[in-house]
Amino acid sequence: QKEVEQDPGPLSVPEGAIVSLNCTYSNSAFQYFMWYRQYSRKGPELLMYTYSSGNKEDGRFTAQVDKSSKYISLFIRDSQPSDSATYLCAISREAAGNKLTFGGGTRVLVKP
Amino acid sequence: DADVTQTPRNRITKTGKRIMLECSQTKGHDRMYWYRQDPGLGLRLIYYSFDVKDINKGEISDGYSVSRQAQAKFSLSLESAIPNQTALYFCATSAPLGTGSYEQYFGPGTRLTVT
Repeated sequence: QKEVEQDPGPLSVPEGAIVSLNCTYSNSAFQYFMWYRQYSRKGPELLMYTYSSGNKEDGRFTAQVDKSSKYISLFIRDSQPSDSATYLCAISREAAGNKLTFGGGTRVLVKP
Repeated sequence: DADVTQTPRNRITKTGKRIMLECSQTKGHDRMYWYRQDPGLGLRLIYYSFDVKDINKGEISDGYSVSRQAQAKFSLSLESAIPNQTALYFCATSAPLGTGSYEQYFGPGTRLTVT
């Protein structure tokens, strides 16, 4: 079993829709959770970082963590074509975010 | 100029050849990483280095070696390339513990094809 499972998609939505992305993980030792966004032919870039259960908002993005269920989510409100990318969840045992374990990534396409 | 650069950006090589991928960074970070990305598998850690004299194996180090020539340079070598090493390779850097920074900064990637 992989340590982090993520639905590969692709997920296709119309512009303005809410995008919902999810990951599950198997080991409760993971305490720090991140979402990276990767555009085609580019390296991943950090989008969101959280370490506690609950919600964290940043503009149109909300990261949600449920440690009791070992489940993390990313929501994108009012999605734009520029949000079309692959989204990777990443988890870590360490606060500094080193030695990340990545999910397989979900490809998202927002259609105008 | 990009903070993390990788050379080459694309490489096609034959089975059995030795190949080196290079990474340089101007962020002043001491921590550097090599990952490979395969479709559906996300990024998997090959090697990481917390300073010039500290190099550690990651999840999938077999068939790879690394060299940390300086704080800013970290190279990945495939001693004898095989087709299942065909992948996208990323270098990344991060700031040390205690700085309050948790982000890893990735280079643009090297697309390697082994025929």
